[in-house]
Amino acid sequence: EIVLTQSPGTLSLSPGERATLSCRASQYITNRYLAWYQQKPGQAPRLLIYGASNRATGIPDRFSGSGSGTDFTLTISRLEPEDFAVYYCQQYGSSITFGQGTRLEIK
Amino acid sequence: EVQLVESGGGLVKPGGSLRLSCAASGFTFSSLSMNWVRQAPGKGLEWVSSISSTSSYIYYGDSVKGRFTISRDNAKNSVYLQMNSLRAEDTAVYYCARPAAGFYFYYMDVWGKGTTVTVSS
Repeated sequence: EIVLTQSPGTLSLSPGERATLSCRASQYITNRYLAWYQQKPGQAPRLLIYGASNRATGIPDRFSGSGSGTDFTLTISRLEPEDFAVYYCQQYGSSITFGQGTRLEIK
Repeated sequence: EVQLVESGGGLVKPGGSLRLSCAASGFTFSSLSMNWVRQAPGKGLEWVSSISSTSSYIYYGDSVKGRFTISRDNAKNSVYLQMNSLRAEDTAVYYCARPAAGFYFYYMDVWGKGTTVTVSS
């Protein structure tokens, strides 16, 4: 099983700042099969990024994904108030596993 | 509108059973695999099970293997999760989620709102 480790566990930033979230895999992820989701309290997850760097439909361009192999990054260029949430990475190269999440909170 | 609506959650005693349903609409259900994903209170997401479009391929996470059974009825645009021998650690919100393409192991672009399962005596 591929284990995904997200860091940091909590990220405290202010609106307008840049957020960088990390997702590290215990094994190589084939074909960059890595997705990112945003989840707000009481809501289902929302797909942000797939294939490591492709934005899902309707996702603002301040969200970007990068990385390959075992190291992946989600970047939010300028934080908006609605971006404060929990973010999960998911790999689908070998079965499905999720990271434990990064909570992005307002500083 | 593409939509997934889960139902069937509730309170059940340890060792009991429950059957969850997920009704799909707005897309060609019979051509896509489907997944169940759960989230324990205050915890992260955990993949539970996947079923291919024709039910030929079925997969389970280790924590539910042998206790849960996924199935689907393409005529009713529905997918089900039969949960037996329930444990306290199965307490979670259960989401039905659609892979973005026909593969069972894929990213998920449509999620239901979830149904809550509580296992407690």
